[in-house]
This record gives sequence, C-alpha cells and structure tokens, in this order.
Amino acid sequence: DQQVKQNSPSLSVQEGRISILNCDYTNSMFDYFLWYKKYPAEGPTFLISISSIKDKNEDGRFTVFLNKSAKHLSLHIVPSQPGDSAVYFCAASEGGSYIPTFGRGTSLIVHP
Amino acid sequence: DTAVSQTPKYLVTQMGNDKSIKCEQNLGHDTMYWYKQDSKKFLKIMFSYNNKELIINETVPNRFSPKSPDKAHLNLHINSLELGDSAVYFCASSQDAPVTSIEQYFGPGTRLTVT
Repeated sequence: DQQVKQNSPSLSVQEGRISILNCDYTNSMFDYFLWYKKYPAEGPTFLISISSIKDKNEDGRFTVFLNKSAKHLSLHIVPSQPGDSAVYFCAASEGGSYIPTFGRGTSLIVHP
Repeated sequence: DTAVSQTPKYLVTQMGNDKSIKCEQNLGHDTMYWYKQDSKKFLKIMFSYNNKELIINETVPNRFSPKSPDKAHLNLHINSLELGDSAVYFCASSQDAPVTSIEQYFGPGTRLTVT
C-alpha cells in the first residue's frame, strides 16, 4: 500500500516555464514533507521541506505547497532550467515514527 | 570531499555469495541509514543507526546485517545473496536522531547485481 504517491512518472517542460510536480499521501499522521532531487548515478539530494503547520515554503526558484485537507503537496519550479532535469522524490514522515516514506519519483525533463 | 561515500559503486556477484558494502560520512552526523531502491524505484528504509545503536530495523531478512564500527561508518553485510537482492543500495546520514524528519544526505549508491 503506497502511502506516498507520485502518479506522474514523467514531466516534460520548456525552459523558462513553470514545472509543477505533484505528490499525494494517504496517511493523515504525516506531519513533515520533503522533496529530494536525484541525478542519474547519484544519490538523492535534499531540495526543500515543509512542516504540516505551514501551507507554503519557498526557497529561490523552488516552492512547495501543502494542502492538508486534500493530502496533497506540490513542488513548483519557476523558471525551469535544463539543469533541473532529474528525478524528484516526495517523502513524508510522522514525527513519532521517524521513518520517511518515499514516493517512486517523477522524472522531470526541461527542454532548452 | 564527498560527504557520504559508498564502496563499491557496482557489485556483481553470484547467488549464495556473501558481500559487504561500506559507507562513510564525514559530516559529523549522529544517524546513518541504509535504503534499498528496488526495480519499481521505491526507496525503502532498511536500517538506521544512531550513535552506533540500531534504532530502526525494518522487516528485512536477517541475511542483511548492518555493522557500525563508529558513528562515521555504517557497513552493510549480506549473506547468501539471492536474485531478489539485486537493487541499488543507498547509504544516508542526518544530523540527529530523526525526531522531526531532518533531511538526509545520501551517498551515490551501490548497484548490486546478483546472477
């Protein structure tokens, strides 16, 4: 049973436009959410996170939005750059369990 | 100056063999992890060590055993390898015990192929 779902395996975007990556979760106990970025043959690298007490967190070109009622979060990248082409993983955890649950990732391709 | 390093990067071996994957972090973190990324691309946590003590042990076969000689190293030993063990294994570390899901720093991964 997937508790963190990234239903789009891939996304293609033109350089300069907005990329929106989506993530849904089923566990209402999740209270902390993270996005990781992964290039081929490398490990995931932390990108941005958000606590359930917030609905938005911004860091430069990256913004994460959290809709708790819909159990949905999204990562916005504006403007998208070719170097953003990577696999993006959504992860979620409960403070008490300490175990992050990852989605299966969305492959973003940004075309020049 | 790699923060989290793993060796080897690729490992090809036959069924029934015993192998080890080494992990080292130079970030001074207290907690280290092993993840398995299977063919469906899910990253699943296997073990976590905090200050050399096992604090998470997911339901992995006991053929897998983590060994932590000190808090900068967490090695993974696998006995009697099976075809289904083929995957990419990632080591990771984080600043403290993952009380509030502090972000983790991952190694480059070890691609294990069992033939």
